[in-house]
Amino acid sequence: GESVGLHLPTLSVQEGDNSIINCAYSNSASDYFIWYKQESGKGPQFIIDIRSNMDKRQGQRVTVLLNKTVKHLSLQIAATQPGDSAVYFCAENAGGTSYGKLTFGQGTILTVHP
Amino acid sequence: GAGVSQSPSNKVTEKGKDVELRCDPISGHTALYWYRQSLGQGLEFLIYFQGNSAPDKSGLPSDRFSAERTGGSVSTLTIQRTQQEDSAVYLCASNRGGRTQETQYFGPGTRLLVL
Repeated sequence: GESVGLHLPTLSVQEGDNSIINCAYSNSASDYFIWYKQESGKGPQFIIDIRSNMDKRQGQRVTVLLNKTVKHLSLQIAATQPGDSAVYFCAENAGGTSYGKLTFGQGTILTVHP
Repeated sequence: GAGVSQSPSNKVTEKGKDVELRCDPISGHTALYWYRQSLGQGLEFLIYFQGNSAPDKSGLPSDRFSAERTGGSVSTLTIQRTQQEDSAVYLCASNRGGRTQETQYFGPGTRLLVL
């Protein structure tokens, strides 16, 4: 099953701060993970992905960390900007017969204040 | 096309009516996915197509929901006898498919409101 709560977690930061968004996943068979950003009224937008043979991957201003031992994923955004304000979702895939299926977390609302 | 497109953008219907939602994947993408997103929630998997066949339709919530894909391109999600709980954003995604894991690229969604 999914690790979900009844209310979306929220993170409020000042422009220029670093942000860390966390995600717990429940399927130990998951071996591929993706972070998406979703702005109001739009579809999810790919940010970064990581496979289970890695524990860290960096992109432009973003870093994803994977801790398989505790089934935890985090997204770090450096020098957060107002345009980063959105809902952030982690998604997992277990491969095998589930190649097509992404399981999404409930999301975290990031608000960046100028 | 440049990205995944979906139509209509918004759909308001009366309870009991049928609706059809359309998805046009990125050109060359053989895999296509449908998800549903209720207000303030994460995305819920509905069905996955590889080419014209659907290896995984485990997420379809009831037999009122069906989907098809023809020509390995456009897909249609049909909801029969709509209910108010069907109100949600229906999102479509695509990728190159096959037996590799890669990100799914999403369209803007169709916002369905059942009155």
